[in-house]
Amino acid sequence: GESVGLHLPTLSVQEGDNSIINCAYSNSASDYFIWYKQESGKGPQFIIDIRSNMDKRQGQRVTVLLNKTVKHLSLQIAATQPGDSAVYFCAERATYNTDKLIFGTGTRLQVFP
Amino acid sequence: NAGVTQTPKFRVLKTGQSMTLLCAQDMNHEYMYWYRQDPGMGLRLIHYSVGEGTTAKGEVPDGYNVSRLKKQNFLLGLESAAPSQTSVYFCASTAGQGTQYFGPGTRLTVT
Repeated sequence: GESVGLHLPTLSVQEGDNSIINCAYSNSASDYFIWYKQESGKGPQFIIDIRSNMDKRQGQRVTVLLNKTVKHLSLQIAATQPGDSAVYFCAERATYNTDKLIFGTGTRLQVFP
Repeated sequence: NAGVTQTPKFRVLKTGQSMTLLCAQDMNHEYMYWYRQDPGMGLRLIHYSVGEGTTAKGEVPDGYNVSRLKKQNFLLGLESAAPSQTSVYFCASTAGQGTQYFGPGTRLTVT
């Protein structure tokens, strides 16, 4: 809904450009990471995931990069479209607590024509 | 498959009233979760369940209770609602491999 993400960092891109959304995670022992997309008024939707034994994974128009040295995760969206406008969350799974995910606060992506 | 569904979608309560939010999933997932989402904050885990008949506390459990009598359903109860419980509530489920699938959310306002 509109109340979600009122004070979130915002990335504004032009349609057709590439977008890069960044996330710093907290636990060096985390073994699994997920990116979610949340459109206004909807629940988070799975986009792509990556395990800690990888540093890159590609999907359709999306790529996730993992840098364990600096505990950094990024989501790259190629040829950004208006339909990509949403709030994007990263989530990590800490190996000591495999039933739960820890979510970041999110980044709002705005796509302009 | 409908995936994860939540009822109701919206609700307004007065302080002190009680209500139950229902989450249902048709993916035969073992794990189910209840989160709340507030402006400027990430999803915070209220309670979760690793199987039928089990529940456990999450990060912010106070003021909420849950039950998992059937594998496909996970209920979240507010016994005496407070304005601080005004939020958007999301249910999620997973087979246990990490990726959680979310419902559409319930927007709750407590006046």
